[in-house]
Amino acid sequence: GESVGLHLPTLSVQEGDNSIINCAYSNSASDYFIWYKQESGKGPQFIIDIRSNMDKRQGQRVTVLLNKTVKHLSLQIAATQPGDSAVYFCAGREQGGKLIFGQGTELSVKP
Amino acid sequence: EPEVTQTPSHQVTQMGQEVILRCVPISNHLYFYWYRQILGQKVEFLVSFYNNEISEKSEIFDDQFSVERPDGSNFTLKIRSTKLEDSAMYFCASSETAGSPLHFGNGTRLTVT
Repeated sequence: GESVGLHLPTLSVQEGDNSIINCAYSNSASDYFIWYKQESGKGPQFIIDIRSNMDKRQGQRVTVLLNKTVKHLSLQIAATQPGDSAVYFCAGREQGGKLIFGQGTELSVKP
Repeated sequence: EPEVTQTPSHQVTQMGQEVILRCVPISNHLYFYWYRQILGQKVEFLVSFYNNEISEKSEIFDDQFSVERPDGSNFTLKIRSTKLEDSAMYFCASSETAGSPLHFGNGTRLTVT
């Protein structure tokens, strides 16, 4: 079955530095991946997505990299800001459409 | 920007009682979902709903759970007889198509005592 997991439960970075959050998945049939940001007391907020026929996608200050060979996904946040502090989840879509979430990485940005 | 809204934000109930969690998905979305998140854990899939029927459900979604779209705007999750272990954040989500991102509400915190 599908499982999506994160390498590190917490990440602490200095304001202005770049952040890299990693994620591994097991289902090679997953065709679509999403990164979500969850702030305290709120629901997951869409950040960026990538389809399996791509290996990189860029948004505003964020980049997602997909390595299908090793089933690895990463989220890069450039010039991390205090407002980026949150828990970040990767999610992969199984056949049938449902998203399977990883465990979450808590990003803490130090001023 | 349109958003998914959920009510109530917090529900406290006694074990064995029925609860109904309510959601208003984004108006032009056709696919609806319920997820739950036990404190400090990952977000878990419960059920997906399309064209007025359940598309898929997880092992968690047993006979105590049901979903309904009673009108053109609401999407509800009912837990018939709550258990202590049902205490969690319940998130509703919707998407425009099967292949588009899910948009989540801010959740209902269910506390079963």
